[in-house]
Amino acid sequence: LAKTTQPISMDSYEGQEVNITCSHNNIATNDYITWYQQFPSQGPRFIIQGYKTKVTNEVASLFIPADRKSSTLSLPRVSLSDTAVYYCLVGGSNTGGFKTIFGAGTRLFVKA
Amino acid sequence: GAVVSQHPSWVICKSGTSVKIECRSLDFQATTMFWYRQFPKQSLMLMATSNEGSKATYEQGVEKDKFLINHASLTLSTLTVTSAHPEDSSFYICSARGGQGDQPQHFGDGTRLSIL
Repeated sequence: LAKTTQPISMDSYEGQEVNITCSHNNIATNDYITWYQQFPSQGPRFIIQGYKTKVTNEVASLFIPADRKSSTLSLPRVSLSDTAVYYCLVGGSNTGGFKTIFGAGTRLFVKA
Repeated sequence: GAVVSQHPSWVICKSGTSVKIECRSLDFQATTMFWYRQFPKQSLMLMATSNEGSKATYEQGVEKDKFLINHASLTLSTLTVTSAHPEDSSFYICSARGGQGDQPQHFGDGTRLSIL
């Protein structure tokens, strides 16, 4: 399984763009990259998923370089309510079935 | 779409009690369900993976006789913590995914288990 490495924490201010980068050097051909947001005492919430290049939805963008060894989650114009832990997951369907392992996550603090 | 419901959201019980947690996919068929455990300020730790109609695959160090998992249908998986003790107190979270390929996991809102 591909191990992921993210910064432990990040600070930002309201209205700023936040970019969180995740390293996954051992990503496999079948693996997708998925980002989740988690608030205290809640389950993780799906943000965005991609395989390569750039993916954008209504809340975020995901940038994946050609070698796919890293990915960057971009949150435009964050607000106080975006303070949460963000997890980068790498996983896909392999011989043993679908499996992903959570890394430590990035704690984002958005200040007023 | 892609809603996963987990019940109960919290439970407090005495040591020695068995506790069952339900995880349901409400608007999709979950071919695979996952159970995680999370301690305060820590990441989610995968406990087991289950496919509908098959026995669950447990991660190393997770006692299968302690944490019984049943995935009898495409929309329901249950985790039973048998003879629970205070050290089993934790936040348990399930997730489900449907289909193949690029389908992501969708998570329930977790169950806070407190064993007295």
